[in-house]
Amino acid sequence: QKEVEQDPGPLSVPEGAIVSLNCTYSNSAFQYFMWYRQYSRKGPELLMYTYSSGNKEDGRFTAQVDKSSKYISLFIRDSQPSDSATYLCAMSAGTGGGADGLTFGKGTHLIIQP
Amino acid sequence: DTGVSQNPRHKITKRGQNVTFRCDPISEHNRLYWYRQTLGQGPEFLTYFQNEAQLEKSRLLSDRFSAERPKGSFSTLEIQRTEQGDSAMYLCASSIRDRGEKLFFGSGTQLSVL
Repeated sequence: QKEVEQDPGPLSVPEGAIVSLNCTYSNSAFQYFMWYRQYSRKGPELLMYTYSSGNKEDGRFTAQVDKSSKYISLFIRDSQPSDSATYLCAMSAGTGGGADGLTFGKGTHLIIQP
Repeated sequence: DTGVSQNPRHKITKRGQNVTFRCDPISEHNRLYWYRQTLGQGPEFLTYFQNEAQLEKSRLLSDRFSAERPKGSFSTLEIQRTEQGDSAMYLCASSIRDRGEKLFFGSGTQLSVL
């Protein structure tokens, strides 16, 4: 079992829909959780950053962390065609850099249909 | 532009040739990371620096790979005697030393080994 599991998709939804993206993990030491957005042939762009359990909202984006279930989610409201990208979850125990730093999921390819 | 800069954006080389990539991090960031990403996968850690010191190298990094960060500023990643399996996107990221790594990525260098 990989440390971080993420459904690669593709996930295709109509414009304006609410999108739900999820990751599960196995390492209970993870306490920093991030979502990155990656457009084709570009580097990942930090979208959301949360510490421990709870919710964080930023515009149309909401990140949720449930440490008891080892489950994190990203919700996108009023989805737009420009949201079409690959969304990568990433997490860290916060103990330092390198291999103890970020562990990424494989990414979910999201397509918003106009 | 104050983001992470990587050059070149694309590199096509023949098997057996040497290649070198450059990364210029965000100026106030003292940590610099190299990741590798193949199609359909999340980024995988290769190595990282704190200032000029290379603190960790992944088992993925064979002896053909070498990275430097002279004077703690820009970094170079060199691959000697390239193999077709080296074809990937090479991503550079930087961060301020902190608990919970908030990494900012460059646009990457896409390497194709023919």
